Amino acid sequence: NAGVTQTPKFQVLKTGQSMTLQCAQDMNHNSMYWYRQDPGMGLRLIYYSASEGTTDKGEVPNGYNVSRLNKREFSLRLESAAPSQTSVYFCASTVRVENTGELFFGEGSRLTVL
Amino acid sequence: GNSVTQMEGPVTLSEEAFLTINCTYTATGYPSLFWYVQYPGEGLQLLLKATKADDKGSNKGFEATYRKETTSFHLEKGSVQVSDSAVYFCALGYTDKLIFGTGTRLQVFP
Repeated sequence: NAGVTQTPKFQVLKTGQSMTLQCAQDMNHNSMYWYRQDPGMGLRLIYYSASEGTTDKGEVPNGYNVSRLNKREFSLRLESAAPSQTSVYFCASTVRVENTGELFFGEGSRLTVL
Repeated sequence: GNSVTQMEGPVTLSEEAFLTINCTYTATGYPSLFWYVQYPGEGLQLLLKATKADDKGSNKGFEATYRKETTSFHLEKGSVQVSDSAVYFCALGYTDKLIFGTGTRLQVFP
């Protein structure tokens, strides 16, 4: 079972470059999320999509854009990368948080911005 | 607003020791509470949950009780193993989002 798949797993960018992190889930989940994980900060929500066709800002959306391409896929784009965006990014999905609260996470994407 | 506060780590224990990781929350309404675990190099996975006051969640020997009067959801295990070494996150669920604490690293030595 693939679950939640993120690509790429590692990426090094120069300041000002752009890139897109891809996320796909095969569990027919409605809700999808992008978090970033930083030392001492835990997980912070960047954007989420409660259902296909909707996206909303989380706690730290500045510098990011998202696209809910279809029910399976939710991408995160950095238009002009900054060193402050060096982090580990996690995509997650769930049927609906109100039902169980169980998020299923991908393995993470480690991004370094020089 | 809604938030989660958990004890800073690392927590260092010998095998078979008793574990407590404290978690308190601030929330409006009646959120669900969760503990997630992250093993090295992996994403987070749900460890246990409680959806209403006085509920006790349990899994793999870990337990946590939803205490509304003290707004707490402390994680406990009676006898830890080396394989329990990981980062543990307390989380609060409301509407369609989860809010995570900063995580507590547990290191268990033989």
